[in-house]
Amino acid sequence: GAVVSQHPSRVICKSGTSVKIECRSLDFQATTMFWYRQFPKKSLMLMATSNEGSKATYEQGVEKDKFLINHASLTLSTLTVTSAHPEDSSFYICSARASGRTREQYFGPGTRLTVT
Amino acid sequence: AQKVTQAQTEISVVEKEDVTLDCVYETRDTTYYLFWYKQPPSGELVFLIRRNSFDEQNEISGRYSWNFQKSTSSFNFTITASQVVDSAVYFCALSALISSGSARQLTFGSGTQLTVLP
Repeated sequence: GAVVSQHPSRVICKSGTSVKIECRSLDFQATTMFWYRQFPKKSLMLMATSNEGSKATYEQGVEKDKFLINHASLTLSTLTVTSAHPEDSSFYICSARASGRTREQYFGPGTRLTVT
Repeated sequence: AQKVTQAQTEISVVEKEDVTLDCVYETRDTTYYLFWYKQPPSGELVFLIRRNSFDEQNEISGRYSWNFQKSTSSFNFTITASQVVDSAVYFCALSALISSGSARQLTFGSGTQLTVLP
């Protein structure tokens, strides 16, 4: 149980285009989902916290207009990187917290974004 | 504010050696959880353990053991008889428990790259 998927696992896009990454909780309902970014050989940095049906809360320094987060249902959150630039190339990881089990976070396998 | 420090950036050992990964944390909260995750080259985070701040018992799971010392705010991780497959980045993380019963977001340490040589 408690499986989180991400799609796509890898994506290459050109500068200026937008990329959408999906995060799904497959066997549980997730009231809260988290989006992390990880640079090579670095730690995971929390970008934003999204709650189903409400606006995401962004961490300091993260551009909300650049990284659009939508948590439209209890099993799906999306991160859209708008007008991508090479510096947006990174490993993006989502995690989901189950309803009623607020102490557990389940991580997705990550999405490697490369912007050329 | 929460902070997790993993002072060892990289460790290299020869197979069958024991290795300890250090983790020191800071939090003003009295109730919190500590975690260890493994991140192999594939990138997916693998959950290893969660420890409640009230439970200072050391834990052993196969070749893995954890030493939680609240007095020194440390939560160290030891791998006994290391194997090549243990090569990965290991992250320590902290999440405080707030009064409503829910947990704050995870704060990760910077990670330790463990390389086990054959």
